Amino acid sequence: LAKITQPISMDSYEGQEVNITCSHNNIATNDYITWYQQFPSQGPRFIIQGYKTKVTNEVASLFIPADRKSSTLSLPRVSLSDTAVYYCLVGDIGSASKIIFGSGTRLSIRP
Amino acid sequence: GAGVSQSPSNKVTEKGKDVELRCDPISGHTALYWYRQSLGQGLEFLIYFQGNSAPDKSGLPSDRFSAERTGGSVSTLTIQRTQQEDSAVYLCASSLSRTQETQYFGPGTRLLVL
Repeated sequence: LAKITQPISMDSYEGQEVNITCSHNNIATNDYITWYQQFPSQGPRFIIQGYKTKVTNEVASLFIPADRKSSTLSLPRVSLSDTAVYYCLVGDIGSASKIIFGSGTRLSIRP
Repeated sequence: GAGVSQSPSNKVTEKGKDVELRCDPISGHTALYWYRQSLGQGLEFLIYFQGNSAPDKSGLPSDRFSAERTGGSVSTLTIQRTQQEDSAVYLCASSLSRTQETQYFGPGTRLLVL
């Protein structure tokens, strides 16, 4: 199973771009990469998912290098409301039990 | 539309008692997951239901934990003879069909075992 490492916490300021990197050295061929956002007392909420290269949606971008051993979630122009815990997830397309969540990165945005 | 709902939102019980946690997935979602989140930790997979297939129970930590899903919709997670280490937030999620699809999470049930 993939072992996932992500920073425990990060700080930034409103209007900045924030990049959170997740390490998953032994990612398998069938694994995809997903990022979730979690606010206190709420369940995680989907942000973005990818398999390789770059994926962009209305809220974030996900960069995955060719070896797929890491991935970087990029949040453009963060605001105070982006203060949350961000989880990197590596999952097998065919098996729920092989879905592994990282321990989360607590992002704090300051004015 | 309605999202995933869970009940109760909070549960306090005494060590040794049994508890039942309920999850109502999004209508039409055939995949349902249970996770456990201990304080300040990531999510730990517990069990996965997909349609009428046999559930994937490989994440259940002990035989005190069981879950069922009736009629392909509502699911109940049961913890028998609760222990203090069972204290955590239990999260339920559903997705349209397959594991790689977006999971929609409920707000969780916060369980405290005294």
